[in-house]
Amino acid sequence: QSALTQPRSVSGSPGQSVTISCTGTSSDVGGYNYVSWYQQHPDKPPKLIIYDVNKRPSGVPDRFSGSKSDNTASLTISGLQTEDEGDYYCCSFAGSSTFVIFGGGTKLTVV
Amino acid sequence: QLQLQESGPGLVKPSETLSLTCSVSGGSISTSSYYWGWIRQPPGKGLEWIGIIYYSGSTFYNPSLKSRVTISVDASNNQFSLKLSSVTAADTAVYYCARARRPITGTTDYWGQGTLVTVSS
Repeated sequence: QSALTQPRSVSGSPGQSVTISCTGTSSDVGGYNYVSWYQQHPDKPPKLIIYDVNKRPSGVPDRFSGSKSDNTASLTISGLQTEDEGDYYCCSFAGSSTFVIFGGGTKLTVV
Repeated sequence: QLQLQESGPGLVKPSETLSLTCSVSGGSISTSSYYWGWIRQPPGKGLEWIGIIYYSGSTFYNPSLKSRVTISVDASNNQFSLKLSSVTAADTAVYYCARARRPITGTTDYWGQGTLVTVSS
């Protein structure tokens, strides 16, 4: 099964909002409410920031929000801060044969 | 605070078997709420889910790697392990061990720091 499709890069200025899309199929993103998002800084492990489409783990600022429409999930970061710069990956449950797939990742630049 | 730490050789020869162990501290691996698994990231590339194991030994693997992957658990030592056979240069990656929530959803809430494994003669 192919990876989920994300834009290679997005950018925004401090204080602005950005949205990162994650497109799959009805066999993964569209079929289940099990999309998660991860933030990764250079040479660090990924950090869970959104799970089950729109839930935030404890300690993650409410500037981070998730949503889903049909086969596309979205991560919105509002009030951009310089420390938000990094790579973002979406992830989805993909059924009882494939189990879990990731997106290709999106590099967020805060300029 | 839960911590996971990968250990194992950083260099593996082509056609040989890659072996890594993940030591879990700050919590028990024998919990009904979580799976324990492996995810890898080739240098400069994205994440790839390898597979997960429940403390009882039930496993779930990425279909594209299934023929070469074995994940096992040693609950008495609070560890789990990864074996990947017949490796090639394409298996060069940072390998992360991690904790995943049950049921299987892809939600992975704790990660090790990762260990780079290079496949080269």
